[in-house]
Amino acid sequence: DTGVSQNPRHKITKRGQNVTFRCDPISEHNRLYWYRQTLGQGPEFLTYFQNEAQLEKSRLLSDRFSAERPKGSFSTLEIQRTEQGDSAMYLCASSLGVRGLATDTQYFGPGTRLTVL
Amino acid sequence: KNEVEQSPQNLTAQEGEFITINCSYSVGISALHWLQQHPGGGIVSLFMLSSGKKKHGRLIATINIQEKHSSLHITASHPRDSAVYICAVSGGDKLIFGTGTRLQVFP
Repeated sequence: DTGVSQNPRHKITKRGQNVTFRCDPISEHNRLYWYRQTLGQGPEFLTYFQNEAQLEKSRLLSDRFSAERPKGSFSTLEIQRTEQGDSAMYLCASSLGVRGLATDTQYFGPGTRLTVL
Repeated sequence: KNEVEQSPQNLTAQEGEFITINCSYSVGISALHWLQQHPGGGIVSLFMLSSGKKKHGRLIATINIQEKHSSLHITASHPRDSAVYICAVSGGDKLIFGTGTRLQVFP
């Protein structure tokens, strides 16, 4: 399968614990996005990378959240000191990200569902 | 008020019916996307359009840039079309999503 993959698919943790999610994009894709989706809502943008550079972060991304894409391939999203309000589906997407292209199709992973008890 | 509004929020239909889902937006965009999300979370891109109309199988998407409005049509609906349909707009590098329309098609 050469699509976007995310691990783990499900994570249950206790309040105050740290969690880390991984996203592996489609191999030739330069751009990688993280979104968060709560029940009954559409996804909300968190952050995105062009290769290894993190170009934009949403105000939703508090100091407890950090994302990396160290070699411009896979990415990790870490949440420190989790809170019950962090419970959501965390979605990763990737796109070609061709320079000068206004927009291109994003391909989504299956998501990581986080439950904070 | 959300930047991307969809209607209706929920929609039920009998197999074979013609379905229309509407999307209005209030920001400047470079493209509008229609996405399909099945139970379990997986999201698939259906269309990306910046003008006019696109057709893929039984799905048709239209956009009116002046009116900031788009519609997704499903002809001859089928129970396998049951999913959440999400409208999203891109004005820069990121997508801004609507809350989705939950469609259920009954046999």
